[in-house]
Amino acid sequence: DSGVTQTPKHLITATGQRVTLRCSPRSGDLSVYWYQQSLDQGLQFLIQYYNGEERAKGNILERFSAQQFPDLHSELNLSSLELGDSALYFCASSLGTASSYEQYFGPGTRLTVT
Amino acid sequence: DAKTTQPPSMDCAEGRAANLPCNHSTISGNEYVYWYRQIHSQGPQYIIHGLKNNETNEMASLIITEDRKSSTLILPHATLRDTAVYYCIVRVLNTDKLIFGTGTRLQVFP
Repeated sequence: DSGVTQTPKHLITATGQRVTLRCSPRSGDLSVYWYQQSLDQGLQFLIQYYNGEERAKGNILERFSAQQFPDLHSELNLSSLELGDSALYFCASSLGTASSYEQYFGPGTRLTVT
Repeated sequence: DAKTTQPPSMDCAEGRAANLPCNHSTISGNEYVYWYRQIHSQGPQYIIHGLKNNETNEMASLIITEDRKSSTLILPHATLRDTAVYYCIVRVLNTDKLIFGTGTRLQVFP
């Protein structure tokens, strides 16, 4: 158990819909990261927040957005869903922003868009 | 794009050492080498990281060549539970994101 929690575990929704994925970081961790893992793209970094502020952006679509709240939990919002958004979404957390800090991953949310 | 090259798959007998190579010939001086693994569809699990010295923890050892262009992850006594995809990652300078390549699928057999 990494200490990172994600809800829900599974999500099935239809094209065009909007969903919210939730992540609670390990106690004491200030950074939260979101990754997407699909069969054809592998594990891809989406976005990072540090202590409530956006820190880095990766291959995140404009239909996707995220935020980190004062209690440090984070939410990833996916809208106008397409079939290709079906994937595993992982949240990770780390202590801070230094390169030496390892990231701890949650169990993921499996999103299926039908 | 990932900055590392790994063999796509490897086999290892249970109880033997598993040596997983990684090439990172373009690594910069202050970039770390990280290893993660992913068992089936679980979240990636941190294993070990290093800058230039060899490192060892309860899970594995990391050997980094003197020129830092390659490294080897060593699982000293592989078990069936070590069957997973192992990712070697170079930490991008001044950012925290991890860029995952395709990794090495390690199959430990009885």
